[in-house]
Amino acid sequence: DAGVIQSPRHEVTEMGQEVTLRCKPISGHDYLFWYRQTMMRGLELLIYFNNNVPIDDSGMPEDRFSAKMPNASFSTLKIQPSEPRDSAVYFCASRRGVGGQPQHFGDGTRLSIL
Amino acid sequence: AQSVTQLDSQVPVFEEAPVELRCNYSSSVSVYLFWYVQYPNQGLQLLLKYLSGSTLVKGINGFEAEFNKSQTSFHLRKPSVHISDTAEYFCAVKPGGNTPLVFGKGTRLSVIA
Repeated sequence: DAGVIQSPRHEVTEMGQEVTLRCKPISGHDYLFWYRQTMMRGLELLIYFNNNVPIDDSGMPEDRFSAKMPNASFSTLKIQPSEPRDSAVYFCASRRGVGGQPQHFGDGTRLSIL
Repeated sequence: AQSVTQLDSQVPVFEEAPVELRCNYSSSVSVYLFWYVQYPNQGLQLLLKYLSGSTLVKGINGFEAEFNKSQTSFHLRKPSVHISDTAEYFCAVKPGGNTPLVFGKGTRLSVIA
């Protein structure tokens, strides 16, 4: 089974540029989560979707961040304009159903904003 | 709101020694409990989970955890660690329904040769 696939694995860009992170969840999973991990704040939930609909985006830091899920097999997290403090590892995770199903994580995108 | 406390941010331990990583959660209502491991430059991998039934749960790589409802704890243990167990370990809790996991801040386990 293919796991959660994220691209790119690494991204280095200059401040002010638009950044788009991509995620393909596990087939059949109806929940998708975006996290950010930094040394200072640890693992933070940014937003999650159920059946392609955003359920809770209260973790999105500010309007520069946006996320979409146009279909069940693809999601994007966009930062525009990017700032150095956005540098972090961004993880996507997916899960099937409610109850005790675990979340499955991708390998993350390491983002560096210069 | 649900919260998870991992009491130790770093745990150094010698190879082949036992280890316990502590986790407490805030609510006594029915929850699902998980431990994840993160190796360097990788995502989080599921180690084990408690859904119901036996309070002692066995996971991968020789790890086990014990659910204690009265103490709202879910401590992770391994009787003999290896160098390859060096990683970050995250405890997570999920209330029922349409909710995401709530993660602790992680414990960095360093196994010393």
